[in-house]
Amino acid sequence: QVTLRESGPALVRPTQTLTLTCTFSGFSLGTSGMCVSWIRQPPGKALEWLALIDWDDYKYYSTSLKTRLTISKDTSKNQVVLTMTKVDPGDTATYYCARISAYSRTWPNFDSWGQGTLVTVSS
Amino acid sequence: EIVLTQSPGTLSLSPGERATLSCRASQSVINTYLGWYQQKPGQAPRLLIYDASSRATGIPDRFSGSGSGTDFTLTISRLEPEDFAVYYCHHYGESQWTFGPGTKVEIK
Repeated sequence: QVTLRESGPALVRPTQTLTLTCTFSGFSLGTSGMCVSWIRQPPGKALEWLALIDWDDYKYYSTSLKTRLTISKDTSKNQVVLTMTKVDPGDTATYYCARISAYSRTWPNFDSWGQGTLVTVSS
Repeated sequence: EIVLTQSPGTLSLSPGERATLSCRASQSVINTYLGWYQQKPGQAPRLLIYDASSRATGIPDRFSGSGSGTDFTLTISRLEPEDFAVYYCHHYGESQWTFGPGTKVEIK
């Protein structure tokens, strides 16, 4: 059974750096074809893709946010970390991590999601 | 970068009725890279349709997807109470994953 769980601060001050961790089970980023992504959703708004890291440590970022994002993985811990620099109130959102299996029939869709973590940016 | 537009923004229907949701891409896309997700309040999205028309595991056959090029449709043949939710189309291309703005299906 695939599970993902997001963790991180609930409140971040403007201009600070946000660090989020996705801890997952049921698959490994050491396995060819596995990818983990971050997606966010401001309250009452649509989903926005942020970043993705694959089993080979290739990283992909949203064009609009790439200067502020860094994604990394710790395969031994089954974790993916996203950092976002210089946050502002517009970054207030629920942040989800999700899996893509590149060699499955569902590629390039997100087939498993965490429950999300709400991050509020406020002074 | 491809932009996805969904219509209508809100669809008000009664249980048992048919729902037709539209997703339009700003340029022609590869069918294989078009998907649909369902999101209920307080929950994470769930994959419904991939490859524009294939149902994901466990998705009832009242959900169907169709379309090609720039115009895609999600159809729910007969709405069940649990189908009232927000639906997002989704596309992958040029190392970017993009979501549409969503269509809310609400009880009339």
